[in-house]
Order: sequence, then structure tokens, then C-alpha cells
Amino acid sequence: QAQLQASGPGLVKPSETLSLTCTVSGVSISSYYWSWIRQTPGKGLEWIGYIYYSGSTNYNPSLKSRVTISINTSKNQFSLKLSSVTAADTAVYYCAGNELDAFDVWGQGTMVTVSS
Amino acid sequence: EIVLTQSPGTLSLSPGVRVTLSCRASQSVVTSYLAWYQQRPGQAPRLLIYGASNRATGIPDRFSGSGSGTDFTLTISRLEPEDFAVYYCQQYGSSPLITFGQGTRLEIK
Repeated sequence: QAQLQASGPGLVKPSETLSLTCTVSGVSISSYYWSWIRQTPGKGLEWIGYIYYSGSTNYNPSLKSRVTISINTSKNQFSLKLSSVTAADTAVYYCAGNELDAFDVWGQGTMVTVSS
Repeated sequence: EIVLTQSPGTLSLSPGVRVTLSCRASQSVVTSYLAWYQQRPGQAPRLLIYGASNRATGIPDRFSGSGSGTDFTLTISRLEPEDFAVYYCQQYGSSPLITFGQGTRLEIK
């Protein structure tokens, strides 16, 4: 059974870079596309982007200029970097696995607050 | 940009009743790539339906999905206490590639 565990700082200062890592277990990292999704009370669920084990990526155009998603297949991990963060980036961040069109594997979510 | 609008925003219902939730897209959803999720408080969303009408693994058959084009529905044939949660629809294929609706909250009456 697939399990995803997100980790990273819970507090990030404005203008800095948010960095999160998701560790995948119980399933081959080549089995899914691996996404980051965030959730806020105001904007709901927002897909940030995904990466395939080959390294190919696809990002939400609204965040594309600030987002980098990378993958380390030897460690069964994929990562998110979001630069120049503001308070609007405060959210619960989920890592998830999708067989292209639907997310059937989710991590537990990690709260990230942007504040000085 | 494709926008998914869910209605109603909140429903107050009693266990045992049948309920239908609506998800309307601002443009046609590519090849019925429409999914439904359930989210309980403090938990990640859980996939219920993919491809508009296919139940995900382990999902009870009281959940069913239908629709095509711009209009989709999720039906729960008989509400159980554990079904009171927030439900989201999600599309794949239009720009941005993946978007979610704003959610419908099912409350116990």
C-alpha cells in the first residue's frame, strides 16, 4: 500500500523559498505522476504541478515562474521549491500520486505558514 | 481557464437519504476526465470516482458518478454517518491542467 510522507519547515519568511520533500513508500516511484497540491480556506484546493520519474514536469501556469519540482528516484523522493513566498502561500501542502487524471494516493498534508 | 462550479455550497441532510451533488464546468471536460473526492476534517482528500463514473478501489457502491461535457453529478444513494464531509470535483486536461471545484459540504441535519 502506497504511503506518502511530506516533510519540511512549517514556517518560512516572506520573500524566501519554501522547500518540501515527499518520501514515497510501498509503491514504485515509476508507477505514478507525483504532484504537489495546496489547500487554503480562501482558494480551496490548488494543483501546483507534477513530475514523472523520467523528470518531465508540468506546472500550474499561475505558479510556474516560482515553482520547481524535482525527483530523486534512488531515494524514492520528490521535492517542491516555491520561491519568493508571500502570506498568500500560507497553506496546507499535500503530496499526491496521480495516474495522470486522478489522485488516488495522498500524503497527510503539512501546514506551511509564511510569516516574519 | 476552466472553472468548476459546485452546487450547492452546503447541504444539511439526515442519514439514510439520497443526495446528488453537482459539478458544472465552464467548458467541456476533456474525455470525461472528471474525478470526485471526499475530505473529512483533518484528513487529505480521498478519491471516490474517476473518469466521471468509475469507482476507485474500495469505494462503496452507494457512491456513483455520472455526466459528460460540462455537467457532472455525484450521487450517494443512502447517506451513512461517515459520509458527512466535504466533496470536491476535479478535472484534468484543460488549462490549467488540473483544477478543483470549490467543494460542497454535507452536514448532518
